[in-house]
Amino acid sequence: EPEVTQTPSHQVTQMGQEVILRCVPISNHLYFYWYRQILGQKVEFLVSFYNNEISEKSEIFDDQFSVERPDGSNFTLKIRSTKLEDSAMYFCASSDRGRFGYEQYFGPGTRLTVT
Amino acid sequence: QKEVEQDPGPLSVPEGAIVSLNCTYSNSAFQYFMWYRQYSRKGPELLMYTYSSGNKEDGRFTAQVDKSSKYISLFIRDSQPSDSATYLCAMSGSTDKLIFGTGTRLQVFP
Repeated sequence: EPEVTQTPSHQVTQMGQEVILRCVPISNHLYFYWYRQILGQKVEFLVSFYNNEISEKSEIFDDQFSVERPDGSNFTLKIRSTKLEDSAMYFCASSDRGRFGYEQYFGPGTRLTVT
Repeated sequence: QKEVEQDPGPLSVPEGAIVSLNCTYSNSAFQYFMWYRQYSRKGPELLMYTYSSGNKEDGRFTAQVDKSSKYISLFIRDSQPSDSATYLCAMSGSTDKLIFGTGTRLQVFP
């Protein structure tokens, strides 16, 4: 069964450093998303991406964040200068927006720890 | 008022019980409703997806949506210890953005 994959599973970085989180969406999907989940809190939307453009972004997704689809298979989230409060699980999701609408399939997540 | 409300639990039931999980919401524009299962430190796994009001059944799982009451439910029949996880409701309206509940932690004991 096709699935979304994410690397690395765990990333430890120092405050102020740049990190890139990587995702490989399901191969025939065209809509991509990033969500995050701070420990003990709800899953929160960050950004949606389609046709090489951001479709929608949340208030969390400020100038420190960027997304890119560098090739036909990868989808990345970059945080330019990490803060302690960026520590969270980051989930990539993808969707084919088929006739059933908005089913989104999530990857296993990258746990980001900022020290 | 929170956009999506979900009782965090924990909900503890014996194996074989029928489990009822619920969410309420305030935004009448929501029309797509999902239930995800999340094991500890793992990604959300899509269980059920419904559009607008009505029921949908898949094996031991039944999802119900009552848009007039802004209330959705997930029923699990013949619950198993392997069903022990956190269950997240999620919904969206005219955009792709999913709004999640806080999740209900379910424990099924043998």
